[in-house]
Amino acid sequence: DVKVTQSSRYLVKRTGEKVFLECVQDMDHENMFWYRQDPGLGLRLIYFSYDVKMKEKGDIPEGYSVSREKKERFSLILESASTNQTSMYLCASSFLAPGNTIYFGEGSWLTVV
Amino acid sequence: AQSVTQLGSHVSVSEGALVLLRCNYSSSVPPYLFWYVQYPNQGLQLLLKYTSAATLVKGINGFEAEFKKSETSFHLTKPSAHMSDAAEYFCAVTGSGTYKYIFGTGTRLKVLA
Repeated sequence: DVKVTQSSRYLVKRTGEKVFLECVQDMDHENMFWYRQDPGLGLRLIYFSYDVKMKEKGDIPEGYSVSREKKERFSLILESASTNQTSMYLCASSFLAPGNTIYFGEGSWLTVV
Repeated sequence: AQSVTQLGSHVSVSEGALVLLRCNYSSSVPPYLFWYVQYPNQGLQLLLKYTSAATLVKGINGFEAEFKKSETSFHLTKPSAHMSDAAEYFCAVTGSGTYKYIFGTGTRLKVLA
């Protein structure tokens, strides 16, 4: 079974804090993704990476950055957390070829107070 | 460019009744289409996917979907709803030449006893 593991399920952070969300996959997938999920808005792509040290902006990259130093690990960074970043964050991974299934982690609920 | 529209953010059916969740897509390249299910406080799990083989795709838990190019649709059906089908369902599209998976805004299915 494919395993995408997000290190923290629930976090509460203060406004202005730097926040790290970690994600690890065990299937040697080339692609990794960070999505944000909000009610009524579905899943919106923040960033994705198709190789180590490579990253591409998604639809809502403002206020976020990412790091991929190893193939299996993809980190999402909130440089200075704000209350409008309170949300569910989903990490996902897939093989490079088009049409492959994208596999999701369990999600990280982030509350910024 | 690609997009997905899910008609109906909330759908209610009686237990044992037909489930029909609607998805229409837009894609400038041949699409790969997916349906995912999300149970409360969990990540997304693949139900089924279309990758240009058979137009009628069978998935897990008795769900199936039919790809209709002329209608640009990929509706999800199940002949008889079960209480355990209550969840949120997402349609997604991707295609050759892109790493992006575009998700719809989701349909929350409620099953009435």
